[in-house]
Amino acid sequence: DAMVIQNPRYQVTQFGKPVTLSCSQTLNHNVMYWYQQKSSQAPKLLFHYYDKDFNNEADTPDNFQSRRPNTSFCFLDIRSPGLGDAAMYLCATSKGWGNEKLFFGSGTQLSVL
Amino acid sequence: GESVGLHLPTLSVQEGDNSIINCAYSNSASDYFIWYKQESGKGPQFIIDIRSNMDKRQGQRVTVLLNKTVKHLSLQIAATQPGDSAVYFCAEKSPRDDKIIFGKGTRLHILP
Repeated sequence: DAMVIQNPRYQVTQFGKPVTLSCSQTLNHNVMYWYQQKSSQAPKLLFHYYDKDFNNEADTPDNFQSRRPNTSFCFLDIRSPGLGDAAMYLCATSKGWGNEKLFFGSGTQLSVL
Repeated sequence: GESVGLHLPTLSVQEGDNSIINCAYSNSASDYFIWYKQESGKGPQFIIDIRSNMDKRQGQRVTVLLNKTVKHLSLQIAATQPGDSAVYFCAEKSPRDDKIIFGKGTRLHILP
């Protein structure tokens, strides 16, 4: 049973064209995360929500935004994708914060043409 | 500073042999460590974790060892199977802000 679901699996967008990636969870976890992962590198945390509280990483570009309209859903918006934004985007959840295992979705592979 | 890194980027192991994947960390105050497995085209999957009050923890076919003296942890996989082929990440909870920081990953190849 899928617990963290990401759609779409693959996304192609054009340079500068806004794109939205979605994530949903059936775990009722409080925390939802967005990670960016390039070429089998370590996942890099972009931001996270603890319930409705948004926490941005200091080095996350302004081009990246996120929305969490309810407990189950979280979106990643890339306002003006550049070629360097092509990557795997991973959504994860955890029940709480710290000392908690993360549950990842299968990711969305974003290509920018 | 905080960093979690792996000694070897690629490890090739004969099927049936044991695999050992190593990881070093830099912050002696770190108290929680996790190993994740990422198969091709999938998100990372939790394997096993360990807290700093332990030296060893065992799961099904996997063992994590923590050596706080030299700030080193390892993941041992017993009787490696083809399904173990993946990239393995160690991760560390930052003592500064409790964020989970991932290391660079080791790709495990299983030889027939």
